[in-house]
Amino acid sequence: QVALTQSPSASASLGASVKLTCTLSSGHSSNAIGWHQQRPDKGPRFLMKVDSDGSHTKGDGIPDRFSGSSSGAERYLTISSLQSEDEADYYCQTWGSDFWVFGGGTKLTVL
Amino acid sequence: QVQLQESGPGLVKPSQTLSLTCAVSGGSISSGGYYWTWVRQHPGKGLEWIGSIFYTGFAYYNPSLNSGLTISLDTSKSQFALSLPSVTAADTAVYFCARVALDNARWNWGQGTLVIVSS
Repeated sequence: QVALTQSPSASASLGASVKLTCTLSSGHSSNAIGWHQQRPDKGPRFLMKVDSDGSHTKGDGIPDRFSGSSSGAERYLTISSLQSEDEADYYCQTWGSDFWVFGGGTKLTVL
Repeated sequence: QVQLQESGPGLVKPSQTLSLTCAVSGGSISSGGYYWTWVRQHPGKGLEWIGSIFYTGFAYYNPSLNSGLTISLDTSKSQFALSLPSVTAADTAVYFCARVALDNARWNWGQGTLVIVSS
């Protein structure tokens, strides 16, 4: 079954850009994924779906600062012009015909 | 704008059944196009998919979880439910419900409800 790997933590400065990575397990490099943001003590919020060709479909109201891309088995979430409210946990997820699975999440700190 | 709201007891005794409902407003639970989904988050941990149900009533469950868990739809009340029997302390978590588009290009999340399993 597919698994997703994320770095536990990342940091970047206010106003800078950061690129978070989600890696699909071997044999699943064609899977699309979704990115979700979870701010402290809040529920998750869907950011976007990223396809294997790098195209992405964003959720309602997601700012242009958020974008997605792909390379091989890696899926990326890039956040530009970082703001303090971007400090959050970011989860990727994928799915199959009868299951869904989440990555372990990346805690983003905005310095 | 669809909204989802979880409800249920915040405290459940070990070996009892955890029962939660998710009320859906602003959208029809009986139309196709979505999976109605439960996800949980253990304290300080990541997200874990529990299961999903389609409008037909066909459900998918995480095979690593309690084999007795069930998800059901109540279209008359526009809600869906989670039932997790024989709970232990390991089932203590925040439980979220979500609406997931068939192509997974849209998720709408509830705000979550904390369930503590303790005697």
